[in-house]
Amino acid sequence: DTAVSQTPKYLVTQMGNDKSIKCEQNLGHDTMYWYKQDSKKFLKIMFSYNNKELIINETVPNRFSPKSPDKAHLNLHINSLELGDSAVYFCASSQVGVNEQFFGPGTRLTVL
Amino acid sequence: AQSVTQPDIHITVSEGASLELRCNYSYGATPYLFWYVQSPGQGLQLLLKYFSGDTLVQGIKGFEAEFKRSQSSFNLRKPSVHWSDAAEYFCAVRDSGGGADGLTFGKGTHLIIQP
Repeated sequence: DTAVSQTPKYLVTQMGNDKSIKCEQNLGHDTMYWYKQDSKKFLKIMFSYNNKELIINETVPNRFSPKSPDKAHLNLHINSLELGDSAVYFCASSQVGVNEQFFGPGTRLTVL
Repeated sequence: AQSVTQPDIHITVSEGASLELRCNYSYGATPYLFWYVQSPGQGLQLLLKYFSGDTLVQGIKGFEAEFKRSQSSFNLRKPSVHWSDAAEYFCAVRDSGGGADGLTFGKGTHLIIQP
C-alpha cells in the first residue's frame, strides 16, 4: 500500500534520447510535484500540478514536460537528454490547504 | 523570495549523545516549516512540521524542533541519537498562503554517528 510510487527506480540512457518517469499516488491528493536532486543533494522544485493544471514551472528547460492523465498520476517526460540532466528525480503529492508533502522513493537518472 | 540556510554541511555525533541541527529561513510572513530525513538511497520522510501554535513541535523517531521567530530559526533536536539516525536532514519552508507551491529546501546536513 505504497503512498507515492515511481517507476523506474533507475534509468540509464544515452545523450539525445527521450525518456519518461512515471509517478502515482494513492492518497487522494489533488496536487502533485516533481523535484530534482542534484549530485550535491540539493533539492529544487520543478513542477506542480493541481487539478490537471500546471501551477509552477521553475526555470526548467522546455525539454521537460509534465503530463497528468488523471489526478493520481503525474509523469515526467524528458526530450533530448543532456549530461546535466543526470540527477535523482522525486515525485511528491499533497492536498491543497494541507501543506505536508509526501515523497516517492526517487528515480536515479544517469545520462551517458 | 524565500530561502533556507543549513549552515552545517556535516555533523558527527557519538551514539547516545544529543543532537542539534540548525536551520534559518528567510521569509516575509510566518512560513510553514518542515524537517525531512533522507536515508541513503531512499526518499524523503517527514520528521515534523510547524504551521502555527506551540513553537515546540514533536515529531517521529524522538525528534523535536523549536520555532523562534526572533531568530528566524527552526532547529531540530534529539536528546540521544542512535546509529540508525545517520542520514541526510533537510529543512524546508513553503508559503503559508495555502496554494500549490512547492517546498524550498536547505542544502541539507549530513549526520554521521560515531560508535
